[in-house]
Amino acid sequence: DIQMTQSPSSLSASVGDRVTITCQASQDISNYLNWYQQKPGKAPKLLIYDASNLETGVPSRFSGSGSGTDFTFTISSLQPEDIATYYCQQYDNLPPLFGPGTKVDIK
Amino acid sequence: EVQLLESGGGLVQPGGSLRLSCAASGFTFSSYAMSWVRQAPGKGLEWVSAISGSGGSTYYADSVKGRFTISRDNSKNTLYLQMNSLRAEDTAVYYCAKESENSVIRGIAVAGVDYWGQGTLVTVSS
Repeated sequence: DIQMTQSPSSLSASVGDRVTITCQASQDISNYLNWYQQKPGKAPKLLIYDASNLETGVPSRFSGSGSGTDFTFTISSLQPEDIATYYCQQYDNLPPLFGPGTKVDIK
Repeated sequence: EVQLLESGGGLVQPGGSLRLSCAASGFTFSSYAMSWVRQAPGKGLEWVSAISGSGGSTYYADSVKGRFTISRDNSKNTLYLQMNSLRAEDTAVYYCAKESENSVIRGIAVAGVDYWGQGTLVTVSS
């Protein structure tokens, strides 16, 4: 199975800060990577697909980049409503494993 | 509007069985692969199983292979997950999930979930 790691596991930032999360795959997955946001008590929401494509309706402050094994997710200006846990997911091979998640908080 | 409504969760003893259902609406159900994704209390997301739009192909995580069976009834727009030989570690919220248009474009079963149900809690405990 392709293993996914994320860092950091949690972070605390101020409103307006730029936030960056990294995700690393244990082998080359090309751009077969998604990013999800999950708010407490809610189902996840797809934000980014194919590593860098913004899902329809998702604010442009969210972005993704990378290919191969190293990927980055960025919130350009953190907003209070962005408090959530963020997960990457590879879909190059089955099983489509998720990363362990990064919990984002407001400082 | 896409809606996914799960049912069938509850408390079951170890070794028992449970069948989850997911009623779908708002899209052409038979055109999309569907998945089940679970989340144990306080833990991350775990993909469980997927099924192609026609129902002809199914896929499972190793942790549930041989115990869980995914199926669908396209005439009823309903997805199912039959869970047998349940274990304490199967305790989780189970989400019904619609695979995105990307799965159709790429011709693969799993490419990312664009719609999720509200989740149904399965608790395996004596």
